[in-house]
Amino acid sequence: NAGVTQTPKFQVLKTGQSMTLQCAQDMNHEYMSWYRQDPGMGLRLIHYSVGAGITDQGEVPNGYNVSRSTTEDFPLRLLSAAPSQTSVYFCASSYTGLAGSTDTQYFGPGTRLTVL
Amino acid sequence: AQTVTQSQPEMSVQEAETVTLSCTYDTSESDYYLFWYKQPPSRQMILVIRQEAYKQQNATENRFSVNFQKAAKSFSLKISDSQLGDAAMYFCAYEAGANSKLTFGKGITLSVRP
Repeated sequence: NAGVTQTPKFQVLKTGQSMTLQCAQDMNHEYMSWYRQDPGMGLRLIHYSVGAGITDQGEVPNGYNVSRSTTEDFPLRLLSAAPSQTSVYFCASSYTGLAGSTDTQYFGPGTRLTVL
Repeated sequence: AQTVTQSQPEMSVQEAETVTLSCTYDTSESDYYLFWYKQPPSRQMILVIRQEAYKQQNATENRFSVNFQKAAKSFSLKISDSQLGDAAMYFCAYEAGANSKLTFGKGITLSVRP
């Protein structure tokens, strides 16, 4: 198992450009999520998905779009990048148990994004 | 809304000594999970330990153990026999309910002195 993979590892954008951060997992996990990490802020949830075709907003969703067409992939789209979106982005996945609560979340290696 | 507080931004420990990292949280839920994640300079988020709120017994993983005080909403991490490889940022996190989402504290940077 490769676990949770993210591409690219680093990216520099200019203000107004668009891009997609890729996330994939090969563990057949139903639950996937995106977090951003900023200095002194910990990690904050952007969007999450409980299965293919189902997504919802987290704590800081503005400026980001997601979709979940397959169980394996959960891309994060920045439609018009802004300097405030400079951050490290983590994708995570976990198995959703029968009781509804999720198992431990496993994180990808992160993408460092700089918006100039 | 749930909140997780890590009030100490930095701590330092001598190699082979014991250190305790503090975490408090606020929730109205009765069933939830608590985690400590380690983030070394490689940036990878590594699960250190997990505690289910319904379990009274404190979780342990080798040199890592927690002191879970449910009534006080406190969840501290004890690292015994500290090693140079323990130097990292440590995050306390909370998760509750169906479609669970992690709420993180701001993290604490742990340095280990040789």
